[in-house]
Amino acid sequence: AQSVAQPEDQVNVAEGNPLTVKCTYSVSGNPYLFWYVQYPNRGLQFLLKYITGDNLVKGSYGFEAEFNKSQTSFHLKKPSALVSDSALYFCAVRDIRDNNDMRFGAGTRLTVKP
Amino acid sequence: DVKVTQSSRYLVKRTGEKVFLECVQDMDHENMFWYRQDPGLGLRLIYFSYDVKMKEKGDIPEGYSVSREKKERFSLILESASTNQTSMYLCASSFSSGLSYEQYFGPGTRLTVT
Repeated sequence: AQSVAQPEDQVNVAEGNPLTVKCTYSVSGNPYLFWYVQYPNRGLQFLLKYITGDNLVKGSYGFEAEFNKSQTSFHLKKPSALVSDSALYFCAVRDIRDNNDMRFGAGTRLTVKP
Repeated sequence: DVKVTQSSRYLVKRTGEKVFLECVQDMDHENMFWYRQDPGLGLRLIYFSYDVKMKEKGDIPEGYSVSREKKERFSLILESASTNQTSMYLCASSFSSGLSYEQYFGPGTRLTVT
């Protein structure tokens, strides 16, 4: 069965600095990988996904993520953080052989300080 | 834009009450999901449905049931609410095939059982 680990409960960065939110995964086959963001008292909002092709994936709001198969990682990055990026971020993985089973990490709370 | 709506944003119920949470999606998605979200635990799958009248147990189905009589609607039922079911409940939907594998989430229902 697939699983996801987000090793950091919280990430703090200063506005304007680059940010990274880490994610590692475990699947038996090839993975589909996703990042979602959740703002306070809201549902999850899709940010980006890796399905196939280029290992660097670009998504909404200037975020990008790099698929690294050898390290089984899919870290979320942004070159210059904004205060409005402060939110809860979830990584998720799905085995391409399993149509319905998506596994989510525990979430990482990102705080961007002015 | 995909829209997933949930019947209530906030709900307060008493122990032992029967509780209905409803979810509607407007994108003709085959798959629909119910998760609960608790701090530090991420999202845990309660039930999902891949077609009308079809349902599959997720990781934590105990104390819950579901109903899918129409493609666009997926209901979560707490047969006899208990305090340990106090949580945020998230509904999601997705296509079952093609490259658009991401799930789309509703705004969530924060349920408090007293």
